[in-house]
Formats: sequence, C-alpha cells, structure tokens
Amino acid sequence: QVQLQESGPGLVKPSQTLSLTCTVSGGSINSGSYYWTWIRQPAGKGLEWIGRIHTSEGTTYNPSLTSRFTISMDTSKNQFSLNLNSVTAADTAIYYCARGRDGTSFLDYWGQGTLVTVSS
Amino acid sequence: DIQMTQSPSSLSASVGDRVTITCRASQGIGTWLAWYQQKPEKAPKSLIYTASNLQSGVPSRFSGSGSGTDFTLTISSLQPEDFATYYCQQYKTYPITFGQGTRLE
Repeated sequence: QVQLQESGPGLVKPSQTLSLTCTVSGGSINSGSYYWTWIRQPAGKGLEWIGRIHTSEGTTYNPSLTSRFTISMDTSKNQFSLNLNSVTAADTAIYYCARGRDGTSFLDYWGQGTLVTVSS
Repeated sequence: DIQMTQSPSSLSASVGDRVTITCRASQGIGTWLAWYQQKPEKAPKSLIYTASNLQSGVPSRFSGSGSGTDFTLTISSLQPEDFATYYCQQYKTYPITFGQGTRLE
C-alpha cells in the first residue's frame, strides 16, 4: 500500500521561502509510471494543482500560478519536495502531495495534507 | 486553461436517495475525467478515473459517465458516509484543473 506523508513548517513569515517534503513509502518514486504531484487548498476553497515531477520527464507547473514554485525529487530518500519563495498571506493553504498513476494525472493516492500559514 | 464547472454547488439529500452531480468542461477532454470525495479535515479520496472506471475499493453504488464535455457522478443509494464534497478533475491537458466542488449535505 502506497503512503505519502507531507512534512514542513506550519508557519512561515511573509517574503520567506516555504519548503515542504513528501515522503513516499510502499513504492519507489523512481518508477517511470508515476507523476509526483503537489496540490493546495486554501481554507474553505477548492483544489488547485501546483505541478508535478516525473523521473525522466522532469517538471510541469501550473502557469496560472506564479513562477515561485520549484518541485524536485530525491530518489535516495524516496522523497519529493516543493519550494515556494517570497510567500504572502495568499499562499496560506493546506498543501497535499499525491501520486499520478500510470503516466497520467489521475491522483490515486494522496497525503493527509499539511497546513501552512503565512503570517508575521 | 480548461474550466471545469460543477452543478449544483450544493445538494441536500437523504439516505437512500439517488444523487447525480454534473461536471462540464469548457472544451472536450475525451474521458480524461476523475472524481474525488473529500470529507471535512481530510484529504481527497479518489473515486473514479477515465470518467467511468471505479477506483479499487470504492463501493459500486458510485458510478460515472460521460465523454467530451459533459460528465456525471451518480450515487445510486446514498449512505451516511457519503455526505461530503465531490470534485471533478480533468487531466487531459496541463494545467490540471478541478471543478469548484459540490457539497452533499
């Protein structure tokens, strides 16, 4: 059974960089079959796709968001990460990592989510 | 971006009811459509992929249909644990986009 677990600071000051990590267990992120994905959800609102990373295809980001996001992966730790620089209050949200299955972005497994609050 | 519009935004129903939620895409997406269920304070859970295929472990009272621009999620007999918010998602084209959600109450 694949499991994903987000980790990172719950509170970030404005203008700082947010760094989140998703640790995957029960499967290898080095498998070419999956897209490792970040999604966020502001409180009381809908889901917003941030981007994804694939072991050979690289990264794809949501162009509707700013270019402040960076997704990377560390296959030795079976983790992938999200960096967001110059955060503002508008970045306050629950951040989820998820797995896109079979070379698609159907998100079959999700982490539990981590709440990030941007506040001084 | 492909816009996904769900209707209704909220729906009142009772246990045992047959419930249908509609999702419309702003352009054709074939059957690259998924449905997710989200309960309060929980992560979304995958229900259906490629418009009509049930994810493993999902009860058979859930079904999906449609292709192109118009899709439906149907719950044949609503159970207490089904009261949640449902999202559709297109994954034909980047950026991946979700509907605004339908709250079933």
